[in-house]
Amino acid sequence: SQQGEEDPQALSIQEGENATMNCSYKTSINNLQWYRQNSGRGLVHLILIRSNEREKHSGRLRVTLDTSKKSSSLLITASRAADTASYFCATDARGSNYKLTFGKGTLLTVNP
Amino acid sequence: SQTIHQWPATLVQPVGSPLSLECTVEGTSNPNLYWYRQAAGRGLQLLFYSVGIGQISSEVPQNLSASRPQDRQFILSSKKLLLSDSGFYLCSGGRRDTQYFGPGTRLTVL
Repeated sequence: SQQGEEDPQALSIQEGENATMNCSYKTSINNLQWYRQNSGRGLVHLILIRSNEREKHSGRLRVTLDTSKKSSSLLITASRAADTASYFCATDARGSNYKLTFGKGTLLTVNP
Repeated sequence: SQTIHQWPATLVQPVGSPLSLECTVEGTSNPNLYWYRQAAGRGLQLLFYSVGIGQISSEVPQNLSASRPQDRQFILSSKKLLLSDSGFYLCSGGRRDTQYFGPGTRLTVL
């Protein structure tokens, strides 16, 4: 079963705007990761945040984690047309051999 | 950094035919390896994972099987494909927490 649930399911913005995607999960986690998938392609790892971390940055990406609410958000600042893709959150639980449970993803469209 | 290779990129097979998808890992040793399937417009579902040579764990009952004959080789197989086996198959691997994904194989069963 899917643990993570991203919202919104689809998001359309103009180039230069910020995009925020959210992810909720049900059970305790070890790590939470965000991935990007261009249409018909494999997944590209964006960022990993551990359960004892609250915020991480990587370039134009900012990820927050609130374990009390079992939720995470991914912020992409100053979006570009090349950011158009599906974004997935994935969680793994302690002792799970790092098996990932994915949400259904958010389809982000950045219009030039 | 590590790289995950998968082939073929696309495959069209008739119902009842066998399947063999291969995944190899470059740039690391003794990785955990995983096979996922993605249905159209959906997230990924874990099918199998392996923490070592010859060790396979199955996550969901299905028509597929997996094998790991070498440390950095992971194979997904079926003796007889079903229509419901169509999908996008992704292999991933990693040491500990971060997993890297291959480019995927799009399988269409007709």
